[in-house]
Amino acid sequence: DAGVTQSPTHLIKTRGQQVTLRCSPISGHKSVSWYQQVLGQGPQFIFQYYEKEERGRGNFPDRFSARQFPNYSSELNVNALLLGDSALYLCASSLGLAREKLFFGSGTQLSVL
Amino acid sequence: GESVGLHLPTLSVQEGDNSIINCAYSNSASDYFIWYKQESGKGPQFIIDIRSNMDKRQGQRVTVLLNKTVKHLSLQIAATQPGDSAVYFCAEKGGKLIFGQGTELSVKP
Repeated sequence: DAGVTQSPTHLIKTRGQQVTLRCSPISGHKSVSWYQQVLGQGPQFIFQYYEKEERGRGNFPDRFSARQFPNYSSELNVNALLLGDSALYLCASSLGLAREKLFFGSGTQLSVL
Repeated sequence: GESVGLHLPTLSVQEGDNSIINCAYSNSASDYFIWYKQESGKGPQFIIDIRSNMDKRQGQRVTVLLNKTVKHLSLQIAATQPGDSAVYFCAEKGGKLIFGQGTELSVKP
């Protein structure tokens, strides 16, 4: 079975632009979470979605938004990009909302110039 | 606020030796803890977890110890191998999953 897949793997944007990152969870997993990982730090929680509804949100500005589709895939959108948004964006899936064990994808490396 | 911290940012061990990676957490309400391994260019990979009603759990070559009194957990890797070289994160879950900053483990041949 395929693991969590994310696209694209790398992305370069300029300040003020908008970006959409995509994630496909492991087959059978209904919950998707998004994390931001700045170089040298641990992942920081952004969102969790379960059954297409937002079930948790981290301390990120409203420029960050996400959604989950009926097939449980998910998109993360970031508007008005800032230099500080440069990071590795990780998607993780789990069987359900109460299932703590997260399985991570390899991430999308976003560089904002 | 909530925080999860690592005692050392880097750890260098000889191949075959045992490794111990430590982590302190601050949220007394956290009831679930996980260790992840992250290799360069990859996402975090689950290693082992432990619930707050336990103080020790063993896996294959790995052991996690939890001391709730001092809010400390550790990851022990037996017979460390070059393939164990990576950054190791502890994470706690009292609501959302909170990661520490990570310890980089280097294994010398």
